[in-house]
Amino acid sequence: GDSVTQMEGPVTLSEEAFLTINCTYTATGYPSLFWYVQYPGEGLQLLLKATKADDKGSNKGFEATYRKETTSFHLEKGSVQVSDSAVYFCALGGSTGFQKLVFGTGTRLLVSP
Amino acid sequence: GAGVSQSPSNKVTEKGKDVELRCDPISGHTALYWYRQRLGQGLEFLIYFQGNSAPDKSGLPSDRFSAERTGESVSTLTIQRTQQEDSAVYLCASRTGQQNTEAFFGQGTRLTVV
Repeated sequence: GDSVTQMEGPVTLSEEAFLTINCTYTATGYPSLFWYVQYPGEGLQLLLKATKADDKGSNKGFEATYRKETTSFHLEKGSVQVSDSAVYFCALGGSTGFQKLVFGTGTRLLVSP
Repeated sequence: GAGVSQSPSNKVTEKGKDVELRCDPISGHTALYWYRQRLGQGLEFLIYFQGNSAPDKSGLPSDRFSAERTGESVSTLTIQRTQQEDSAVYLCASRTGQQNTEAFFGQGTRLTVV
């Protein structure tokens, strides 16, 4: 079945450092790919998405490119801030039939001043 | 409503009691999901409703768990004879029926079984 694998955390960075959180997936067909973020004490919210190969999703300085050849959707940000500290979830949504959303295990990011 | 609404926000129950969790999706969203998130863990899929089709119950961990949804409205997740391992945050999300759309999450119900 469909699955998502994310790098384990926590990822600890200093402010203004470069961030990469790896995400790879296994799926049939052509799923949509998502990154969700969960800030401390808050619910999950969509950070960005991409719906087809080579699409780049971007939001709040974060980017991720849908790479079909490597089945990856890595999250990147050029300069992280303390306020980016959160848990990040990679997810895929089926493109046909039941669109079950499958989530990775989440990666905790801790940014220090 | 404007967003996905879940109630109660917190529930403390004694082991062995039944609990019912409620999710009110965004109006017009045909798809509804329940997930469980244990402390410090990822999202565990429980059940998925899509319109009037038969739900995907493949994630329900035992027959103590059940969920209902009437049409495209409110859903309830029922846990019978609660156990301590059921303690978690239960998250509900809804989504339109269109392909490639994102899901919107509620704030969750934090269930504590004592």
